[in-house]
Amino acid sequence: DGGITQSPKYLFRKEGQNVTLSCEQNLNHDAMYWYRQDPGQGLRLIYYSQIVNDFQKGDIAEGYSVSREKKESFPLTVTSAQKNPTAFYLCASSTWTDSTDTQYFGPGTRLTVL
Amino acid sequence: AQTVTQSQPEMSVQEAETVTLSCTYDTSESDYYLFWYKQPPSRQMILVIRQEAYKQQNATENRFSVNFQKAAKSFSLKISDSQLGDAAMYFCAYRIFLNSGYSTLTFGKGTMLLVSP
Repeated sequence: DGGITQSPKYLFRKEGQNVTLSCEQNLNHDAMYWYRQDPGQGLRLIYYSQIVNDFQKGDIAEGYSVSREKKESFPLTVTSAQKNPTAFYLCASSTWTDSTDTQYFGPGTRLTVL
Repeated sequence: AQTVTQSQPEMSVQEAETVTLSCTYDTSESDYYLFWYKQPPSRQMILVIRQEAYKQQNATENRFSVNFQKAAKSFSLKISDSQLGDAAMYFCAYRIFLNSGYSTLTFGKGTMLLVSP
């Protein structure tokens, strides 16, 4: 069954700690994306990657880092430099074979800073 | 900068009735794509419908259809024969392709749709 998985579903972090959110896809999609969602807000782009070993900053990249060592995986690290990390994080992917480049989303990770 | 505006924070509809959710966007591009996504209480983002800007015909997916007015930069979503399962947050999104070959997606703030029996 093809899809996008994110883990964990819920994550708690102490202030000053780095945490890594997992995103894996088995859709053979080329591009992957990370978004942040806050209450009353739409989704805001953190980072995106179109190919392995390459990624670009989105609108709110400060305090976050990513890697793209495999086509299937695009982990997001929330560093201690991110001042307000409590939010819902969504990962998405898309493929160039789809002319509309439609993005498909994972189930999300809820991060809470204690 | 491209922006997407959803002016209705919340809308209500009764089962079997029709409701229209509004979306306007600002862009100077001529080639782009527009999307409506649904986010139910599970928070999974689900694609509802998409529209290519160069197509004049409005997209339709079963009970969901759009009214795409390119000159007015308007992209509203019509839900016919509303069902309880349609209750969700609906996001309008705009996608452009950059000169680099990369693309980006910009979302509105969403409209919460309430469906009553």
